[in-house]
Amino acid sequence: DTEVTQTPKHLVMGMTNKKSLKCEQHMGHRAMYWYKQKAKKPPELMFVYSYEKLSINESVPSRFSPECPNSSLLNLHLHALQPEDSALYLCASSQPSGGARDTQYFGPGTRLTVL
Amino acid sequence: DQQVKQNSPSLSVQEGRISILNCDYTNSMFDYFLWYKKYPAEGPTFLISISSIKDKNEDGRFTVFLNKSAKHLSLHIVPSQPGDSAVYFCAASANYGQNFVFGPGTRLSVLP
Repeated sequence: DTEVTQTPKHLVMGMTNKKSLKCEQHMGHRAMYWYKQKAKKPPELMFVYSYEKLSINESVPSRFSPECPNSSLLNLHLHALQPEDSALYLCASSQPSGGARDTQYFGPGTRLTVL
Repeated sequence: DQQVKQNSPSLSVQEGRISILNCDYTNSMFDYFLWYKKYPAEGPTFLISISSIKDKNEDGRFTVFLNKSAKHLSLHIVPSQPGDSAVYFCAASANYGQNFVFGPGTRLSVLP
C-alpha cells in the first residue's frame, strides 16, 4: 500500500472559520509533511514531522497549526485564514532514514478556497 | 533566488520519440534528487531518484542522468507515450535530508 489519503478533497471557508485538513498513511513511514502549492508554482514545504515530533517549520504563519496525533495521521488546523492562503495543500510521507527511503509519497491534496 | 531551476516551462514531443526534461541547481550541497510527475487535481507521483554517488539511474522507460560538475540533471523518457503528458518537477535535498526544494516544473505534452 503506497497510498497517502487526504480529506477533504475540496474546502471552502470564510476568514473567521476554523477547519482542519487530515492526512493518513499506512506505509509505516515515520516522517510526514505539509506542502502548499499555488497555481503554476512548485510545492513549497510548510512543516515536517519526524517520529511524531515537529522537526521543520518553514516560517509558516501561526494561523496554520500542524498536529501529528500518531505515526499514521497528520492534521493541519486552519484559523483566521486570508484569501491569499487559497491553494492546494499536499501531504506527503517518507522513511526518515536517508537515501532512497527518503523518497516522499504524496497524497492527492486538498483544494482550499478562502473567501 | 531559485535553487532548483527548470528553464523550459513546456515541451512537446511526438509519441514514440524521446522526451528530455532538464533541471539545474545552484546549491552544491544538494546530494539527492527526485523527479515527480503531476497530473491536474492530483498530488505529485514519484518517478525516479538519483543520489550524488551515481551519474545515472534507470527504471523502465525513465532514465535520470546527473552531472555534478555542471549541477545539472536530466530525465529521459523513451519511448514517450501520450499518458506521459503531465507536469514534471525536479526536487533536491542536501545531506539526504527531508527538506526538498522543488523546481518550477515543465509541462510535457506527448502528441499522438
